[in-house]
Amino acid sequence: GAVVSQHPSWVICKSGTSVKIECRSLDFQATTMFWYRQFPKQSLMLMATSNEGSKATYEQGVEKDKFLINHASLTLSTLTVTSAHPEDSSFYICSARPGANVLTFGAGSRLTVL
Amino acid sequence: GENVEQHPSTLSVQEGDSAVIKCTYSDSASNYFPWYKQELGKGPQLIIDIRSNVGEKKDQRIAVTLNKTAKHFSLHITETQPEDSAVYFCAASTGYSTLTFGKGTMLLVSP
Repeated sequence: GAVVSQHPSWVICKSGTSVKIECRSLDFQATTMFWYRQFPKQSLMLMATSNEGSKATYEQGVEKDKFLINHASLTLSTLTVTSAHPEDSSFYICSARPGANVLTFGAGSRLTVL
Repeated sequence: GENVEQHPSTLSVQEGDSAVIKCTYSDSASNYFPWYKQELGKGPQLIIDIRSNVGEKKDQRIAVTLNKTAKHFSLHITETQPEDSAVYFCAASTGYSTLTFGKGTMLLVSP
């Protein structure tokens, strides 16, 4: 089946540093990928839609300069959390569509900012 | 936009019992309704989905029913096992639009 790989699975960083999370579609091409954020015991919140070869589309309230998204190829999208602060600590999950409607998620990346 | 309500927020059952999770949606144009299972510290995994041209779909111990008139759909798990314990999310979408998720149901199956 379709697989979305996410790396790293967890990362700890110091406040003020930047962290990059990678999302790859392993056996299919994805012109669009989606980045979600999930707080403990809460639902998934769509942050942005990553578009291959063009700018990402951000949801209302999501800071574009804080969460940089790059979709460099048909199989790779990256999310960079810039100048991270403790409030950015969260579980970040990417997803992609291997076919009509179906959304496949990565395993998630746990970010802890000290 | 679409709004998806999910109930209950928590559900505790004994092993072997059935579990039912219900969702309602607001956009009558929605035509795709997946269910995801999320284990602690992992990403959501699709367990079953249903499209609007179908009223019911089964996959072993899991079934989903859809009532388009009432705009609600349900997940049914029979003969529950401890490994079914997880958070379950329902979602709805229209064609290639983004999925709108419910708030999730934490299912706990006690041995």
